Amino acid sequence: DQQVKQNSPSLSVQEGRISILNCDYTNSMFDYFLWYKKYPAEGPTFLISISSIKDKNEDGRFTVFLNKSAKHLSLHIVPSQPGDSAVYFCAASQGTSGNTPLVFGKGTRLSVIA
Amino acid sequence: GAVVSQHPSRVICKSGTSVKIECRSLDFQATTMFWYRQFPKQSLMLMATSNEGSKATYEQGVEKDKFLINHASLTLSTLTVTSAHPEDSSFYICSATLGTTDTQYFGPGTRLTVL
Repeated sequence: DQQVKQNSPSLSVQEGRISILNCDYTNSMFDYFLWYKKYPAEGPTFLISISSIKDKNEDGRFTVFLNKSAKHLSLHIVPSQPGDSAVYFCAASQGTSGNTPLVFGKGTRLSVIA
Repeated sequence: GAVVSQHPSRVICKSGTSVKIECRSLDFQATTMFWYRQFPKQSLMLMATSNEGSKATYEQGVEKDKFLINHASLTLSTLTVTSAHPEDSSFYICSATLGTTDTQYFGPGTRLTVL
């Protein structure tokens, strides 16, 4: 049973436009959410996170939105750049302690076309 | 920033042999390290949680006698795949946390191929 779902395996966006990556979760106990970026043959790199007490968190070109009632979050990248092309993983956990394991989605491959 | 390394980055071994993968936090002390496995086109699946000086906690379905985890120091955790078989071929990734902060820092991963 997939507790964190990324239903779009891939997404193509033109350079300069907005990229929107979506993530849904089923476990209502999750209260901390993260986005990671991963290049082939490399480990994931932390991008941005959001706690369930917020509905938006922004860091430069990256913004994460959380809709708790819908159990949905999204990552917006604007403007998109070719270097953003990678696989993006949504992850969730119960609690924000560094000892808490993460549950990952399957990832969405973003291709930014110049 | 926090850096986590893994060694080796790639290993090919014969069926039946054992393989050890090291995970090191280079510039910080990690009280907790996690081991994940990723099969092609699948998500990262947590295998076990490793706390320094104590036994690892394994996820359901992960054989603790097959995947031996040792977290002997605050900067090093090792995963040993014992009696490896072709179905163990996967991408193994570790992560480490800075004490009780909320971010896991990932290593670059180890590609294991069992012939």
